[in-house]
Amino acid sequence: DAGITQSPRYKITETGRQVTLMCHQTWSHSYMFWYRQDLGHGLRLIYYSAAADITDKGEVPDGYVVSRSKTENFPLTLESATRSQTSVYFCAARLAGVTGELFFGEGSRLTVL
Amino acid sequence: AQTVTQSQPEMSVQEAETVTLSCTYDTSESNYYLFWYKQPPSRQMILVIRQEAYKQQNATENRFSVNFQKAAKSFSLKISDSQLGDTAMYFCAFLWGGSEKLVFGKGTKLTVNP
Repeated sequence: DAGITQSPRYKITETGRQVTLMCHQTWSHSYMFWYRQDLGHGLRLIYYSAAADITDKGEVPDGYVVSRSKTENFPLTLESATRSQTSVYFCAARLAGVTGELFFGEGSRLTVL
Repeated sequence: AQTVTQSQPEMSVQEAETVTLSCTYDTSESNYYLFWYKQPPSRQMILVIRQEAYKQQNATENRFSVNFQKAAKSFSLKISDSQLGDTAMYFCAFLWGGSEKLVFGKGTKLTVNP
């Protein structure tokens, strides 16, 4: 258990509002990731981080902002939520030097009305 | 860009039988890794099995095994003696050795019937 905690687990918001999804790990995994899961699309990478203060874009970064001031936290912010951002969001982490295997949080279901 | 294709959106199998889930990928890289992840109704993503491209031997984890055909760029998952707890979404995923970006297929929904 890599101890990936996401909050909130469920969130309903309105178009145009700012929303922040939190991700916290209890281990010291170097790499952290945000994916979104949509029916018919599988999981798509939004942003990832190799270490504190190092972040990079994934496949679908538009409309999202991330930060990583501390190794254990990797929040994802939707600055102005849109209906197309209704999705299930997964945070994941992995150890440096262990190629590929990700440990996932339980997901945050976001609904934008 | 690497792509992963799972051509079977849904499959079903009877308990105790064997089922094979298909996955193909497209890459020009030689150093890469392949994975199968399982997502049960609880939504938790769990690694089932991984395969390094440089290894010729197919990976096996208990009832789960893969058929890795490198030339054909195929990576199928075989589940033997299917159990009700195997009911889940299964995602095939690809990672190029020089990247941190794990690329997922769209998933196959597997239902194990009693």
